[in-house]
Order: sequence, then structure tokens, then C-alpha cells
Amino acid sequence: GQQLNQSPQSMFIQEGEDVSMNCTSSSIFNTWLWYKQDPGEGPVLLIALYKAGELTSNGRLTAQFGITRKDSFLNISASIPSDVGIYFCAGEPPQGGSEKLVFGKGTKLTVNP
Amino acid sequence: GAVVSQHPSRVICKSGTSVKIECRSLDFQATTMFWYRQFPKQSLMLMATSNEGSKATYEQGVEKDKFLINHASLTLSTLTVTSAHPEDSSFYICSARDRGRGRYGYTFGSGTRLTVV
Repeated sequence: GQQLNQSPQSMFIQEGEDVSMNCTSSSIFNTWLWYKQDPGEGPVLLIALYKAGELTSNGRLTAQFGITRKDSFLNISASIPSDVGIYFCAGEPPQGGSEKLVFGKGTKLTVNP
Repeated sequence: GAVVSQHPSRVICKSGTSVKIECRSLDFQATTMFWYRQFPKQSLMLMATSNEGSKATYEQGVEKDKFLINHASLTLSTLTVTSAHPEDSSFYICSARDRGRGRYGYTFGSGTRLTVV
């Protein structure tokens, strides 16, 4: 099946630093989504991308849908302690009607005050 | 808007018993809901797609007789782990799509931590 390769697996940064993570695939996707998951909670949607080349911001977060439709990145600027968590990318494959998402393995972010 | 409520948040049960987990869409109707399983430090694994008024669609390798799914209304799907064993201990998460939001209204519940002792 389709897979998303998410990197890095984990990051340890100082408060105030910028963060970048990405997902790549050998297959194309119609939609790219970025989620954040706190311990013991379900994922919360951060940014949704619908068109190749689309660049979208949500506060300090910026994400882009790769022009080839096979990759996406998420940037977090000026990180703060509450940014700690696991970030997942997810993609919606082009197969019609299934609505199933494919998830990356996650990037665990640690922010040191 | 687009709130998905999952209950219970935590449950401990004895081996051999069955456990029911509920997933409700509070402010929208969901003809399709999804059930995921997440092991510690791992990503979400789709178990099945719950379809309102019809049988659930299970992913390869997921035992349908073990994980019973019922989607009897447009706002409620239930996952029953039957004859639970310690290896069924995991974090179970549901999600639903709010088509009425126009764009991608894909919302997750807060998850259920199941511990089988």
C-alpha cells in the first residue's frame, strides 16, 4: 500500500528556534494534512492542503503541498514549550470514494525552555 | 464545530470480557467514521471504516469477529472488542468527516486507552 516517509523521527530544539519537518511518498496524494497529537489525546488538525503548490499558514505554522503531489513540509517558527508533541502528516490517496487517510510515522518534537 | 466525542477515555477490563467504545459526532452527521489503533510511540493504524446502515469495511489483518463495529445512526459508531486479551491493550481512536464543512472536515476523537489485565 501507499506509505508516507516522515522525517525527522524526533527533534530536540531550544525555545525560539524554527522547526521544519517533511513527508515524502513515491505515490501522489490529493490532500495533505498535518496533525499534532498530545499524549493521551487524539490528533488535532493543524493545516490542510488541497492543491499542488499550495502554501498555507496558521499562526506560526506554515505548510506546503509539493508541486509533484508527492511531498509536503511543515514549518514552525519561533517555537514555544507548548509546541511539544508528536506531529503527523497524513495524505488522502487519489482512489475515489474511500476517504481513507495514510499517516506518516510522526515527528516527536521536544522544546527546551 | 465538527466535534467528535469518544467514550470512555480509559477502560481497564479483565481478559475474556468485552468492551464497547463509543464515537459520536456532536454537531454534524457522519455517514462514515473510522477506527484507528495506535501502539506506543507509533503512528495510527486504520482498523476499519464504519458505514452508517451497512457493514463495516475492515483493513487487511483486522479480525472482524474480534472488533465488532456498529454504525446504527448518523452520529454514533461503536467498536466492541470482544473476548479481550492483554495483546488488545492499546489506544483506540475514532474519526469522522464533516462533509458539511465544505473542505476537509476530518476530526478525531480524544481516544480510548484500553488496558486488558
